[in-house]
Amino acid sequence: QSVLTQPPSVSGAPGQRVTISCTGSSSNIGAGYDVHWYQQLPGTAPKLLIYDNNNRPSGVPDRFSGSKSGTSASLAITGLQAEDEADYFCQSYDSSLSGYVVFGGGTKLTVL
Amino acid sequence: QVQLQQWGAGLLKPSETLSLTCTVYRGSFSDYYWTWIRQPPGKGLEWIGEINHSGNTNYNPSLKSRVTMSVDTSKNQFSLKMRPVTVADTGLYYCAGGDGWFFRWGQGTVVSVSS
Repeated sequence: QSVLTQPPSVSGAPGQRVTISCTGSSSNIGAGYDVHWYQQLPGTAPKLLIYDNNNRPSGVPDRFSGSKSGTSASLAITGLQAEDEADYFCQSYDSSLSGYVVFGGGTKLTVL
Repeated sequence: QVQLQQWGAGLLKPSETLSLTCTVYRGSFSDYYWTWIRQPPGKGLEWIGEINHSGNTNYNPSLKSRVTMSVDTSKNQFSLKMRPVTVADTGLYYCAGGDGWFFRWGQGTVVSVSS
């Protein structure tokens, strides 16, 4: 059971827009901690996609965007492409116990 | 740009010690926290813990009693030891670097625990 909750799967046709939600609580996202997103292509290590809620590292297309509100965050992908088919994970920090990094359970994006 | 290369034993028996090491290339070892993350087969990511160049550590509370991390600044290396392992520790283990988020990852090491 992951501390951050993501839908197990989402899907969309090429060219469409999809969003992936990441729901936390008052001890992580709701406490003001930033949310980061990773893309994991099959058989590869995760790659940083969005950091600090809505910032893209160099080289990440602007089709990817992030947002955060209250105890949740979202990743939006516009102009969906076949190469976007991957697993997506959100990450934040939780202040409970002694404080630790937490991940969402991951969302499998299928491009129809 | 920074690159991480990791290695370690991949096949263990229950009660043994998992030992992994990660070398940081082409980057400032003192600028970031260095982290271990694992992924059970077909599942999500779990943060194991982190260490900086001074040896300051933070561990996942659920794993803290079994985990030790260390650093060798002369070789730009950091290491993970977990003992004793159980079948539930089977998975893909990654080293990663960052400060809040993880901007660079190692290639991953498959760890299989089986009797």
